[in-house]
Order: sequence, then C-alpha cells, then structure tokens
Amino acid sequence: DVKVTQSSRYLVKRTGEKVFLECVQDMDHENMFWYRQDPGLGLRLIYFSYDVKMKEKGDIPEGYSVSREKKERFSLILESASTNQTSMYLCASSPRGVGVNQPQHFGDGTRLSIL
Amino acid sequence: QKEVEQNSGPLSVPEGAIASLNCTYSDRGSQSFFWYRQYSGKSPELIMFIYSNGDKEDGRFTAQLNKASQYVSLLIRDSQPSDSATYLCAVTGPGYSTLTFGKGTMLLVSP
Repeated sequence: DVKVTQSSRYLVKRTGEKVFLECVQDMDHENMFWYRQDPGLGLRLIYFSYDVKMKEKGDIPEGYSVSREKKERFSLILESASTNQTSMYLCASSPRGVGVNQPQHFGDGTRLSIL
Repeated sequence: QKEVEQNSGPLSVPEGAIASLNCTYSDRGSQSFFWYRQYSGKSPELIMFIYSNGDKEDGRFTAQLNKASQYVSLLIRDSQPSDSATYLCAVTGPGYSTLTFGKGTMLLVSP
C-alpha cells in the first residue's frame, strides 16, 4: 500500500512565524502535491512537483513556497503565517502516468491553526 | 478554468438501497476520472478510477463514464451506514498530472 506521511496531525503557530509542513512518501512516486481544504471551498491545489527540484504553482500559491530536495520528500513553507492560512493541509503523491493521470494518494492531513 | 460540479447534498438513502452520486465536468478533453471518499475530519481515500466510457465495477461500487455527456457517476449498492461520508469527484486538471476536484456530495445512509 502507498504510504504518505505528514509530519504533524495538528499544529498551532503564531502570526508571522515561518511554518514548515513536511510530507514523505514511500512508493517512489514522481509527482507530489500540496492542497488546502476549507469548508465550502473544497480542495485547492497550492503547489505540485513532478520531479526532484522541480515545482509548479497551483491555483493558490500566494504566501507559500515548496521544496523538493529528495524524491520522497515534499515540504510546504508558509513564509510568514497569517490567520487566513488556518486550514487543513493535505499532501498527495502519484506515479507518473502515460496519457492518463494516475490516482493520487493522500496523507492524513495537517490541521494548522494560526493565532 | 476547468470545472467539476457536484450536488452538495446531503443525499439521504436508507440502508440497503442504491446510492447514486453524480458529477459533471467542463473540459471535453479530460481523460481521467476518480472518486474519493472522505470521512469527516479525515483525508480523501481513493475508491475508484475510470478512463474509458462505460461501467467499471469493484465490489459494491460501480463507476459510470459518459464522455459525450461529460458526466461521471458512482453507484453504491447495498448502502451501509459506514458509507456515510462526502464523496469527491476528480477529473484531469489543467497542469501536468494534476486533478481538479469537485466540492463533494455528502451521503447519509440511515439504518
């Protein structure tokens, strides 16, 4: 089974802090993704990566950055946390597809509160 | 902007009935379609994926795809209270390997 592990289930940080969310997958997947999920807004893609050191902006990249130094690890960084970044953050991974998308597999999520 | 539309629900069905969940998408060129189940407070869990027109069955679940109508559905036979969750439809997204998710349909199965 695919295992996607997020470093924290719950996290509380203060406004202005730099926040790191870590995600590790054990299936040698090429693609990794960061989403946030908010009531009424659904899942929104923040950033994704299709290879080591590669990153692409998703729908809502403002206020975030990412790092992928190793294939199995994809980090999301909140440069200066703000209260509107309080949310559930979900990491996912998928293998590279040929002609079609392969399923994405999700970690358990990190519920982040910014005070 | 690619869009994926789902009725937010809740869809209420009695135990043992067939639950039918529907999804429409805007991009006629979409090739990949997924259904995820999400329990309250938990992360999405893959149930099924379908790439070709027609039906795909897996146990109590059947995914149906009609590309001409830009419509994908999920049927759950013999619904159980444990099926009560939000079901997310996802379709090929605009970026490489990305998906666009609908906002989900809440299903409630009453004993």
